Order: sequence, then structure tokens, then C-alpha cells
Amino acid sequence: NAGVTQTPKFQVLKTGQSMTLQCAQDMNHEYMSWYRQDPGMGLRLIHYSVGAGITDQGEVPNGYNVSRSTTEDFPLRLLSAAPSQTSVYFCASRQYLGGGTYEQYFGPGTRLTVT
Amino acid sequence: ELKVEQNPLFLSMQEGKNYTIYCNYSTTSDRLYWYRQDPGKSLESLFVLLSNGAVKQEGRLMASLDTKARLSTLHITAAVHDLSATYFCAVDASWGGGATNKLIFGTGTLLAVQP
Repeated sequence: NAGVTQTPKFQVLKTGQSMTLQCAQDMNHEYMSWYRQDPGMGLRLIHYSVGAGITDQGEVPNGYNVSRSTTEDFPLRLLSAAPSQTSVYFCASRQYLGGGTYEQYFGPGTRLTVT
Repeated sequence: ELKVEQNPLFLSMQEGKNYTIYCNYSTTSDRLYWYRQDPGKSLESLFVLLSNGAVKQEGRLMASLDTKARLSTLHITAAVHDLSATYFCAVDASWGGGATNKLIFGTGTLLAVQP
């Protein structure tokens, strides 16, 4: 298994540009999520999905859109990039291990700079 | 609203010493996770703690959960340089049932082990 993959690894955008961060997993996990990581703030949940066709907002959803048309893919769209969206973005998928326990698998991250 | 606080934010320690990282959270939860992150890398799962009094150990790291105090600790025994990393706790705001779909992270503790 490749696990959770993300592309691109690095991206520089100008203010106002749009782009899509790609995330894919090959573990057949129903739950997927996007986080952003900023210095001194830990990881904050942007959006999540509990299955194909179902998405919901996390802590910091403004400025981001998601959709989930397949179990494997969960892209994150920035419609009009702003400098405040400069961050490292992590995609994750979650596996149920039984007994109320989940294991979350993180992708390698995308480092985004908005100038 | 669930808030998760870690302390200290930065910890410089000598090899061979013991220390503890604390993770406090603001609402009831019986499901807590610890992760490790090396510089420029993704997050690696260390421990999943379910229920009050849960204790797990792996090598020089031991994690515990006190749901009444809303506190988890990550204890480091006889630190070695290889443990240098950032450690995050994350809390799922659930109690006695299935997990919620939102994992809230602490701000992280940067651990630097000096030879």
C-alpha cells in the first residue's frame, strides 16, 4: 500500500489564484480529513468526510472547499488564495481498529506559500 | 468548545534524564492520542488511550490518561537524542460511545535532547 499520498509537495501561489491540493489513499478508509499546521498552533481541522458524497466542516473551513466523489480521493480547493493560507497542509485517513479505537494515517504534507 | 493545551511548549533536556509532557483538555473525553513529528516530516502515531486510567508504554515513552482530571501525560525515561522531535496530543471529544469526527490537537511540545 502507498498509504496516504499528497501532491504537490511544495506550491507557491499569488494572492487571488486558485488551486487544488490532491489527496489519495489506497487503504479503503471511509473517513478522510484535511488539517493545516501553523507554527505554534498545532494542527487544525479544515474539513472532513465520512464517506463518498459526505463532507463537513472542521475548525477552520473558511476559504476552502472539498468534495468526495470516490472513497480514494479527497481534494482540497483554495478558491482565492490569501497570504493567511500560507501553511503546511496534511491530509489524513482513519481506520477503525475495533473497541472504539481509531488509527489515523497522515500524508507527507503540502507546503503552500501565498505571496 | 474543546480546547487542548500542552506544556511545556519547548523542552531541552540532557540525555539520561526523565521528564514529563502534559496535555490538558477542556471537555469530557475518553479518547486521546499522542503523535510524534520529526522536522519537515509527517505525523507518526505513538499511542491511543481509551478510558480512564489507561497506560501504554513503548520503549522510553509511557503515556497515561486521567479522564477525571482531563489530563494525559507523556513520560520520557532516560532520554536519548533519537527522541528529539515535536510531540502532539490530540483529543476526540467523545465519551462512552463512538468517536466524533473531530480530532483537536494541542500546540505541540518541541523536545530537544542534548548529548
